[in-house]
Amino acid sequence: GESVGLHLPTLSVQEGDNSIINCAYSNSASDYFIWYKQESGKGPQFIIDIRSNMDKRQGQRVTVLLNKTVKHLSLQIAATQPGDSAVYFCAESNNQGGKLIFGQGTELSVKP
Amino acid sequence: DVKVTQSSRYLVKRTGEKVFLECVQDMDHENMFWYRQDPGLGLRLIYFSYDVKMKEKGDIPEGYSVSREKKERFSLILESASTNQTSMYLCASVVGDSNQPQHFGDGTRLSIL
Repeated sequence: GESVGLHLPTLSVQEGDNSIINCAYSNSASDYFIWYKQESGKGPQFIIDIRSNMDKRQGQRVTVLLNKTVKHLSLQIAATQPGDSAVYFCAESNNQGGKLIFGQGTELSVKP
Repeated sequence: DVKVTQSSRYLVKRTGEKVFLECVQDMDHENMFWYRQDPGLGLRLIYFSYDVKMKEKGDIPEGYSVSREKKERFSLILESASTNQTSMYLCASVVGDSNQPQHFGDGTRLSIL
């Protein structure tokens, strides 16, 4: 069936380094992708999104890259800070009433 | 900013009880969703709704029902709670007409004893 998965369940980085979190998706019809951040005890928080007509989108310290050829999505966090420690989820959609398919999540741990 | 409010952060109920989880959003969103989140299983869709009095089954609807009497409120009902329904429950909402990010509440951690 359709699925969105993450390559690494955990990622540990040094404060100040750049982080890259990867995601693979299987539905070639998906045309919208989102990254969420979930801190302990809170609900997922929207970080950045990208539509399939784009390859790259930048936000504040974050960049999302979309490679439709290999159905791969990545989230890059520049100058990672302790406050970035959280679980990060990717999600995909093909505009079916806002329904999303979520990946399993990657836990990012930032070492001071 | 969109605000999605779940009425309880923590809830403890007993097996066999009827349990109501409430969710309210303040942005006039058409679509609302209920998920459960379990370690190693990610977010799984239980039910969703595109409009008042409308509901659709998600991937794991068994043992649950929902109610949407008003646009801003979406209730999840456990008809007869069982221990395997112990989980984190998350509500989300999104505007209905195009791809947009869902906005989530902070979740209800439900324990069934």
